[in-house]
Order: sequence, then C-alpha cells, then structure tokens
Amino acid sequence: AQSVTQLDSQVPVFEEAPVELRCNYSSSVSVYLFWYVQYPNQGLQLLLKYLSGSTLVKGINGFEAEFNKSQTSFHLRKPSVHISDTAEYFCAVSAQGGSEKLVFGKGTKLTVNP
Amino acid sequence: ETGVTQSPTHLIKTRGQQVTLRCSSQSGHNTVSWYQQALGQGPQFIFQYYREEENGRGNFPPRFSGLQFPNYSSELNVNALELDDSALYLCASSLGGTGGATEAFFGQGTRLTVV
Repeated sequence: AQSVTQLDSQVPVFEEAPVELRCNYSSSVSVYLFWYVQYPNQGLQLLLKYLSGSTLVKGINGFEAEFNKSQTSFHLRKPSVHISDTAEYFCAVSAQGGSEKLVFGKGTKLTVNP
Repeated sequence: ETGVTQSPTHLIKTRGQQVTLRCSSQSGHNTVSWYQQALGQGPQFIFQYYREEENGRGNFPPRFSGLQFPNYSSELNVNALELDDSALYLCASSLGGTGGATEAFFGQGTRLTVV
C-alpha cells in the first residue's frame, strides 16, 4: 500500500517570492510520482511527473520537483510565484506495474499575496 | 480532442436516495477512475474500469457501484445515500495498460450534497 504526506496544509507567500511545497511518501513497492494543481471549482491538472531518469523534473507554469529516493520525498518548487499560482496542490503516487490508481496527499493550499 | 466531461455539475439529494453520476472519457482513453474528494481533503480512489471491467477498488462499501460502456464512458451509482457522501466526485480518464505511468485527465467534477 502507498501513502502520501503533504507536510503543510497552507502556505502563504508574497508575489515573486520562491516557494517549496513538501511531499513525502511511503510505499512497499516502487512508485511513480505526480503533482497536480486544482484551481477553485475545477478538476485537477497535471503539473509534472517523475517516472525514471533525472531526479529533477520540470513541469508547466515554471514549476519543478526533485525526487529523493533515500528521503522518499518529491518536493515541488517555483523560484518566483505569481498571483495566478494561488490554488490547491496535490502530490500523488501510483505503484509501478499496477493500475493507474493514484494515491493522493491531503493537499497544500498555496496563497500568493500581492 | 475532447476533454473529460462530467454531468451533472451539481446536485442535491436526500438521505436514503440513489444517485447516478456520468463521465465521458477523453478520446482514445480506455480507462476511467472515480475519486471522492471531501471538503478539505485529497481525492480518495473509489474504483477503476479498464475496457469495461472493474480493475481495482478502494475502501468504499458495495453501495458504490459503477459501469463502463463500450465507448468507454462511465457511470458511478451510489445507493442509500448518507450525509457523509456529500463531496466532489471526480472522474479521471487515462490510457490503461501502462503500469501506472500514464497521466490521468480529470473532469471538473460533480458536487453532490446530501441533506
């Protein structure tokens, strides 16, 4: 079984500041890792994913994440945030070789203030 | 290429009633997964359908059931509604058979309120 822990439920930052949203996971098998974003009253949109290879992955809207196997972490970063980045961010995993079932964390609400 | 569409967008039901939610998957996708997202929580996996067969189920009671049709659209049925069933129900479509590596495309969800 897999579980995902997002360490911060809310992260307030000022516009143009850097941000890091933290994600740790637990699994008895190897996993693929994902970050999704949810804007108010909308579904989820994929930001980026780690399948294999380079541990630093780049996604849409200037976001990137680094996979750290020893620390079982997959933290999301952006060097300079915009007001439009205000949203809920979800970290998720799926078991390698399994179905496309995603196990999500509880989410981090990012609020970007002017 | 059409996206994932869900209907209805909102509905209100009374405790004990039954409800059917619908999802049209993205063109070319053969897998549909359903998730329940309670307020302030992450999505929880309900079940998945791959080529019209159930392909995994989360920790939900049997009163949650589903179907996938030959065109890969899907329904989620919930019987004997309880107040705790109030949530956003998300449908996600993907191309199955990739061992968990594929991207899931989500619909905007159906907001169900049970009173």
